[in-house]
Amino acid sequence: KQEVTQIPAALSVPEGENLVLNCSFTDSAIYNLQWFRQDPGKGLTSLLLIQSSQREQTSGRLNASLDKSSGRSTLYIAASQPGDSATYLCAVDDNAGNMLTFGGGTRLMVKP
Amino acid sequence: ETGVTQSPTHLIKTRGQQVTLRCSSQSGHNTVSWYQQALGQGPQFIFQYYREEENGRGNFPPRFSGLQFPNYSSELDVNALELDDSALYLCASSLAGGVNGYTFGSGTRLTVV
Repeated sequence: KQEVTQIPAALSVPEGENLVLNCSFTDSAIYNLQWFRQDPGKGLTSLLLIQSSQREQTSGRLNASLDKSSGRSTLYIAASQPGDSATYLCAVDDNAGNMLTFGGGTRLMVKP
Repeated sequence: ETGVTQSPTHLIKTRGQQVTLRCSSQSGHNTVSWYQQALGQGPQFIFQYYREEENGRGNFPPRFSGLQFPNYSSELDVNALELDDSALYLCASSLAGGVNGYTFGSGTRLTVV
């Protein structure tokens, strides 16, 4: 059974810092991995999708990497802003689109 | 391109009652999945519908059931509500096979009292 872990559970940084969020998964036979953002009480907004054949994806200040062999993904946020404050969730699809297994999330606070 | 829409946004039910949640998939998507998210936790997979049939189910009891309609919209029904069913219920749509990932709606906040 796939298990996804996100470290740290919470993170507080001053504005302008570059930061890395970590995601690890136990079964490396994944189909793809998706990073989401969730604001309090809201739904999930997709940030980046990395398919199993890819090593990384970039969107603006965000960069996500994937190392299937070690069961790890990282989300790099450059020049953090207070508007980046949210919970970031990592999810693994290991059954060709049948279901996602989520980590517990990292709650990020960026202080002005 | 319209996104995933869910209704209602909030509702309060009494223990033992039944509830129906609704979801309209993103234009062009033919698969709908439902997730339950308890406070402070990651979402948990309930089930997925494709071609109006259940196409995978998580570790949820039979009192959680669903439907998918020919227009790909979906309903989640929960019978005999329990206090622990209080959660944010998220609907996600995708293409079959999930090749382009999942698009989530804003969720329905269910409170059982």
